[in-house]
Amino acid sequence: EAQVTQNPRYLITVTGKKLTVTCSQNMNHEYMSWYRQDPGLGLRQIYYSMNVEVTDKGDVPEGYKVSRKEKRNFPLILESPSPNQTSLYFCASSPSGTPLSNQPQHFGDGTRLSIL
Amino acid sequence: RKEVEQDPGPFNVPEGATVAFNCTYSNSASQSFFWYRQDCRKEPKLLMSVYSSGNEDGRFTAQLNRASQYISLLIRDSKLSDSATYLCVVNIYKNDMRFGAGTRLTVKP
Repeated sequence: EAQVTQNPRYLITVTGKKLTVTCSQNMNHEYMSWYRQDPGLGLRQIYYSMNVEVTDKGDVPEGYKVSRKEKRNFPLILESPSPNQTSLYFCASSPSGTPLSNQPQHFGDGTRLSIL
Repeated sequence: RKEVEQDPGPFNVPEGATVAFNCTYSNSASQSFFWYRQDCRKEPKLLMSVYSSGNEDGRFTAQLNRASQYISLLIRDSKLSDSATYLCVVNIYKNDMRFGAGTRLTVKP
């Protein structure tokens, strides 16, 4: 089954304790991205990746890191989480990120992070 | 001005009604446009892409107005199951995709 898998689904942790949210897709998609969703603000893009070893900042990259060592994986790293990073996070992928391709994104189920 | 703006609603309509949402975007060079649907606490799911000439999928019609920089979604004969938040998505530049904050629709019996 084609899917985007995020782990963990839920996490409660404390300020400053490094954490990683994993994202994996089995569709051989080139483009992957991370979003956070907050009430009233909608989804905001954190980082995206056009392909292996190619990553770019989105709208709200501060406080986050990503890596794309393999095509299928795109982990989101919070080196020193803070309470303002409490949010619902979504990973997404699409075959290609080229705007002309007009290709939609497939989303994971979401990860709810609470930073105390 | 926000890069992608939607009326947050809520839109409360009776079953069978026709309802329309608009979404404005700031970058005239944007080339990809989509409507997604999101149910409460779930992941967004693609509803339809928006093509330059406009496109229809059953009860749903999407249109793009480049001159005025907005896209629209029309839902005819609303069903209870259409209740959700509708998100517009626009690529602002390069491959940076921006979501609107969403328009909440509630269809009532």
